[in-house]
Amino acid sequence: QQQVKQSPQSLIVQKGGIPIINCAYENTAFDYFPWYQQFPGKGPALLIAIRPDVSEKKEGRFTISFNKSAKQFSLHIMDSQPGDSATYFCAASKGGSEKLVFGKGTKLTVNP
Amino acid sequence: NAGVTQTPKFRILKIGQSMTLQCTQDMNHNYMYWYRQDPGMGLKLIYYSVGAGITDKGEVPNGYNVSRSTTEDFPLRLELAAPSQTSVYFCASSSSGREKLFFGSGTQLSVL
Repeated sequence: QQQVKQSPQSLIVQKGGIPIINCAYENTAFDYFPWYQQFPGKGPALLIAIRPDVSEKKEGRFTISFNKSAKQFSLHIMDSQPGDSATYFCAASKGGSEKLVFGKGTKLTVNP
Repeated sequence: NAGVTQTPKFRILKIGQSMTLQCTQDMNHNYMYWYRQDPGMGLKLIYYSVGAGITDKGEVPNGYNVSRSTTEDFPLRLELAAPSQTSVYFCASSSSGREKLFFGSGTQLSVL
């Protein structure tokens, strides 16, 4: 049973485009939703995170949109750059848990 | 600060062999995790620890063992290597559990 469903599996955009990566979850006990960015040959690194008490969070060019009723959240990358080419993972966690459940990842390619 | 250091970076094992993947962190984090990453499958939690002397199973613990005798070190032991254990293994640590995991650069393991 996949607890966090991520789509698409891969995504190609042109420089300046706005890629959008989506995640859906079933467990209403989840209360923390981070996104991790992974470059080839490296470990993932925390990019941005959101809690269900807000519908949107921005950090620089990265924005998380959160829809509690639909149990969905998404990552938007404004003015995407070739340096944003990486694999992006969404994740979720229940309150009181020390563990994260990850989506399967989205490989993003930003062409020059 | 070196952060989270994993050794070795690459290893090839024969079926039935044993090995220990090393992980050490210099951030005095209480929480440490082992994940495996398979292509297109995201990150799966193998074992985690909330402090020295305390370990617990994650989603996919079979075939692995861990110990946590110090805050700094969290080695992962494979006793009888199987081809299904071919994967990239990541160690991570955190000061606050699920929030802001710091990952190592990974160990690529092949079992042939």
